Amino acid sequence: DAEITQSPRHKITETGRQVTLACHQTWNHNNMFWYRQDLGHGLRLIHYSYGVQDTNKGEVSDGYSVSRSNTEDLPLTLESAASSQTSVYFCASSDNPFPGPVGDTQYFGPGTRLTVL
Amino acid sequence: GENVEQHPSTLSVQEGDSAVIKCTYSDSASNYFPWYKQELGKRPQLIIDIRSNVGEKKDQRIAVTLNKTAKHFSLHITETQPEDSAVYFCAATEWTGNMLTFGGGTRLMVKP
Repeated sequence: DAEITQSPRHKITETGRQVTLACHQTWNHNNMFWYRQDLGHGLRLIHYSYGVQDTNKGEVSDGYSVSRSNTEDLPLTLESAASSQTSVYFCASSDNPFPGPVGDTQYFGPGTRLTVL
Repeated sequence: GENVEQHPSTLSVQEGDSAVIKCTYSDSASNYFPWYKQELGKRPQLIIDIRSNVGEKKDQRIAVTLNKTAKHFSLHITETQPEDSAVYFCAATEWTGNMLTFGGGTRLMVKP
């Protein structure tokens, strides 16, 4: 079955280290998104991509980067991890072409819990 | 950009009662309004959505209403059950129909 997966599911790292979180979807969706979820803030958009070689900054992009070299993957990199980046990270994907006439369902991965010590 | 406000932040009801969660949005061009349910430690999952050309949509015990003029939409859950206990998020799209802006979430607790 088609799905969206994230790895690792849990990660502990130290301040200043580079960390990459993986996101892989097998639906062949055009659009992929990264969110972080913190208590009291809901889901906040970090970066998103509408296709291969396309990346865009979201609401809370400082300290994060993404690259889209194929349809299936959108890895999220923390260049120099900070304690403020301790959070749960969700990847999502949707199929609506950009720009689309109407919104489309986003399907979420299982999440990665990142702790920065 | 789009701004979505969600109320209340917590809601406690007795089993069998109804629950209503309300959201307002700022961008009149927004055209898609999904609702997600997130159980503890799990991923958000879509439970119902509505598009701007529809005023109401029902799926068994859940329904969503949309008032485009007032720029607000609501989730209604009838005959609540303990398994409805979760955090619920509303969201709205920006003009391209792709990027979602989420509300802050409502923690629903259904007491047996």
